[in-house]
Amino acid sequence: DAKTTQPPSMDCAEGRAANLPCNHSTISGNEYVYWYRQIHSQGPQYIIHGLKNNETNEMASLIITEDRKSSTLILPHATLRDTAVYYCIVRVGGAAGNKLTFGGGTRVLVKP
Amino acid sequence: GAVVSQHPSWVICKSGTSVKIECRSLDFQATTMFWYRQFPKQSLMLMATSNEGSKATYEQGVEKDKFLINHASLTLSTLTVTSAHPEDSSFYICSARDGEAPPIGPGELFFGEGSRLTVL
Repeated sequence: DAKTTQPPSMDCAEGRAANLPCNHSTISGNEYVYWYRQIHSQGPQYIIHGLKNNETNEMASLIITEDRKSSTLILPHATLRDTAVYYCIVRVGGAAGNKLTFGGGTRVLVKP
Repeated sequence: GAVVSQHPSWVICKSGTSVKIECRSLDFQATTMFWYRQFPKQSLMLMATSNEGSKATYEQGVEKDKFLINHASLTLSTLTVTSAHPEDSSFYICSARDGEAPPIGPGELFFGEGSRLTVL
């Protein structure tokens, strides 16, 4: 799976949008971009994934650049409960992509 | 949604004893399960992959005789830390793949809540 680069930490204000960048310049054509988050002392939680197009669900939006070498996860209205480590992972889909390789992630602290 | 449950959620044991951690898929059949280990302030590190009915595949540097993995059924995998020592103290997390879910998307991989092991 392609390596990803994320800033180690970032703060954001409660109620504001949080934009989390991820660089995956070596991504292959069949690799998807996945985002997970891990709240302290819990297992990772799926957030969103995408291949080429921008995606949105009830939790977040995912913006993928046209060349697919980077992406941004957007939490539209951050709350204190969004404080967590956010992991950007690129992987192939299906059984071949089961093995998730976690990088360092971005430690997000949402402040009142 | 699908749930993966781990038990115990935390355990304290004496050095030299063995500890078993269970990972159960509650409402789906998990053809593949994964075990991760996470030290404080660090990321998750994959330890091994287990497929139901076959031997686990261990990542480089993980001792298979130290960390025994059994995936005897489609809903249960166990990790046994044998002769545990303080350096084995960690947060152990399992994930499971729903074998009947579409290959792409959120409905395929689910994580347990984690099990915190402290070895005295």
